[in-house]
Formats: sequence, structure tokens, C-alpha cells
Amino acid sequence: DVKVTQSSRYLVKRTGEKVFLECVQDMDHENMFWYRQDPGLGLRLIYFSYDVKMKEKGDIPEGYSVSREKKERFSLILESASTNQTSMYLCATSYLGPGANVLTFGAGSRLTVL
Amino acid sequence: DAKTTQPTSMDCAEGRAANLPCNHSTISGNEYVYWYRQIHSQGPQYIIHGLKNNETNEMASLIITEDRKSSTLILPHATLRDTAVYYCIVRVGADSNYQLIWGAGTKLIIKP
Repeated sequence: DVKVTQSSRYLVKRTGEKVFLECVQDMDHENMFWYRQDPGLGLRLIYFSYDVKMKEKGDIPEGYSVSREKKERFSLILESASTNQTSMYLCATSYLGPGANVLTFGAGSRLTVL
Repeated sequence: DAKTTQPTSMDCAEGRAANLPCNHSTISGNEYVYWYRQIHSQGPQYIIHGLKNNETNEMASLIITEDRKSSTLILPHATLRDTAVYYCIVRVGADSNYQLIWGAGTKLIIKP
């Protein structure tokens, strides 16, 4: 089974701090995604990547950036955290190609910005 | 914008079949329907997907209406561990560049 590991389950940061959320997968999947999840809003796509050093904006990229220097690692960066970025952040992966394109998710990182 | 509509919550008795409806009246001909679920404090978990035909796997069955405007996820013998939020999702775009449009999901509570 694909394993998707998110580095931190719970983080508390202060407004203006730089925040790094790391995601590592062990199955050589090409696609990696960052979502945020807020009550009543479902999952919203922040950024995704189809290959190393490649990134695409999702639906809500403002205030975020990403980095993919290695195939297995996809990082989400909050350059200057704000209270409205308090949320659950979910990383997911899938392979590139025809078929199901099933997403495998990590356990999530719950970020609180004070 | 979400392309799916689901009930906010549902109850089901343990051991019974849980039938979760989903409306996707604006779905296009090449857009897949996916179901995921999310157990509290975990990431979403894939259940099943389909395009036109009904599908079954070890977890569930997916019934898609002939006009594809709605579908039903069936958990044949619900257990307490099936208590979760269930998301019905439409996949838009090509295999190489697609998006999953998530709605708010249905909170399914299995009661003993």
C-alpha cells in the first residue's frame, strides 16, 4: 500500500511566522496534491504537482507556495501565516496515467495560527 | 462550485445496508463519479468509482442511474466502524490533468 506521511499532525504558529508542511510518499507516484479542509466547505485544492520541480495552482493558492525538489517529497509553505489559514491540511498522491487516478491521503496536519 | 448534492447526515442500524444518495445532475458524459470517506481525525479514504455502469468491490457497491444524474453508494452490512463522512465527487478533466470537485459530504452514523 502507498504510504503518505505528513510530518506534523498538529502545529501551533503565530501570525507572521513562516510555516513548512512536509509530505513524503513511498510509492513513486507522479502526482502530489495539497488540500485544505474547513468545516462545511469540503476539500479545496491549494496546489498540485505532476513532476519534480513542476507546480500548478489549484483553486485557492493565495498565501501559499509549494516546493517539489524530489519526486517523493512535496512541501507546502506559508510565507507569513495568518489566522485565516488555521485549517486542516491534507496531502495526497496518485499515479499519472489512464484509469482510476485514486488519491491516497496522508493523515492530515492541523494548523492553528494565533 | 460543487457538482454534487448530498444529504447532510444519515443514520443506519448496524448490520443493515446503508444507502447514501448523491445528485450530480450537471455531470458531463466523460466525468467519473468517485466516493471517498473520512473517518474522524484521518485523511479521506477511497471507496469506489464509476462512469456509467454499476460497480462493486470489497467495500461497497455503486449504483449509477441510466441518465447519470444521480448515484447511490451501498454499504451492504454496515458496522460501527463505517461511521464517517462520505463524499460523492465528480472528476473533471482528462487523465493527465484532472480535478476532483468535493462537496460537503454526508455524515453517516451507524447505530448499534
